[in-house]
Amino acid sequence: GAGVSQSPSNKVTEKGKDVELRCDPISGHTALYWYRQRLGQGLEFLIYFQGNSAPDKSGLPSDRFSAERTGESVSTLTIQRTQQEDSAVYLCASSWQGGNSNEQFFGPGTRLTVL
Amino acid sequence: QQPVQSPQAVILREGEDAVINCSSSKALYSVHWYRQKHGEAPVFLMILLKGGEQKGHEKISASFNEKKQQSSLYLTASQLSYSGTYFCGTGSSNTPLVFGKGTRLSVIA
Repeated sequence: GAGVSQSPSNKVTEKGKDVELRCDPISGHTALYWYRQRLGQGLEFLIYFQGNSAPDKSGLPSDRFSAERTGESVSTLTIQRTQQEDSAVYLCASSWQGGNSNEQFFGPGTRLTVL
Repeated sequence: QQPVQSPQAVILREGEDAVINCSSSKALYSVHWYRQKHGEAPVFLMILLKGGEQKGHEKISASFNEKKQQSSLYLTASQLSYSGTYFCGTGSSNTPLVFGKGTRLSVIA
């Protein structure tokens, strides 16, 4: 067992460009979460995937943000037309199943810097 | 709604005890506690699922008062390795966790 992996670890982009962030959850984990953490701040929920159910997108801050998940594996978070305010660490987590009764395992994060 | 954590920050000397509180304005189904060291990902500490449930791991324990809609994390005889930011996350069985803003704990020798 490998843990949750994320790539890239760091991404520097120019304002207005699109970026894709990738998350590989722990094998067998049906639930996958994306969070945003601004410098010195808490964890801000973005989106949640649970099995084949429709994702909970209630935390996405704008329509520039979207995410996909292929089955119960890899997920990609896409930010279009990036803005400086999007600069943050984007964390992915997975758990054996959803419902908040299982611990979440976090990946190392992707540090996004928008110039 | 985001749970409220208190205190925002605390400094301890090795061996001292600390309590971190997490309060919610909504009825709680579960409370998660995580610790994040600087520059690292959050690491799971424990989950409390029932009102009145208490759990412990070595010298870190937690309680969950469902009626008061709050949870407390107890750190006894703190060690340098306890330093970090502690987050509580609350949620129901079918809504995502909402995390508090965190409590920054610094343990000094």
